[in-house]
Amino acid sequence: EIVMTQSPATLAVSPGERATLSCRASQSVGTDLAWYQQKPGQAPRLLIYGASTRATGVPARFSGSGSGTDFTLTISSLQSEDFAVYYCQQYNNWPPLTFGGGTKVEIK
Amino acid sequence: QVQLQESGPGLVKASETLSLTCTVSGDSISHYYWSWIRQPPGAGLEWIGYIYYTGSTNYNPSLKSRVTISVDTSKTQFSLILSSVTAADTAVYYCARLDGYFHYMDVWGKGTTVTVSS
Repeated sequence: EIVMTQSPATLAVSPGERATLSCRASQSVGTDLAWYQQKPGQAPRLLIYGASTRATGVPARFSGSGSGTDFTLTISSLQSEDFAVYYCQQYNNWPPLTFGGGTKVEIK
Repeated sequence: QVQLQESGPGLVKASETLSLTCTVSGDSISHYYWSWIRQPPGAGLEWIGYIYYTGSTNYNPSLKSRVTISVDTSKTQFSLILSSVTAADTAVYYCARLDGYFHYMDVWGKGTTVTVSS
């Protein structure tokens, strides 16, 4: 099973600032990596797939990068609606499909 | 625009069977993979398994002995059965569509809370 590790667990950022979230895989997943955003009481929403391709309707301030075992989600200028929990998920080697533990982005 | 809606009992007794259905609307159920994911209170996401519209399945090895996922294309529904539940199965259960080729979840249902009582 590929273990996905996200860091930090919590990230405090001021509105307008940049947020950088990390996701590390226990073995290479190529670019088979997705990012999701989850707000309280809501289902996750797909943000990024293929490590760097934004899903339909996702603002350009969200960008993904990386390959192999190390990945980054960057939010260039945090808006109020971006404060949420973010999960990465690998789909390179399964079963099982696996998620990281999440990074909570909160207001500083 | 495809939409998914979970339905089923919100309360299940320990040792009994959890049964949920996901109804797909706005698109065909064919040519896609359909998945169940759960999220215990205050915790992260756990993939349970998926089914292709043809009926082929793949399950999380940690749950495989207790999980069955089935599909009814005529009703555009797919279902989850989880047997011998315990308190550890208390969670929000989501159904989701997997991308047609790569297995990321591109459409999610709103989720349904299932509580296992002792």
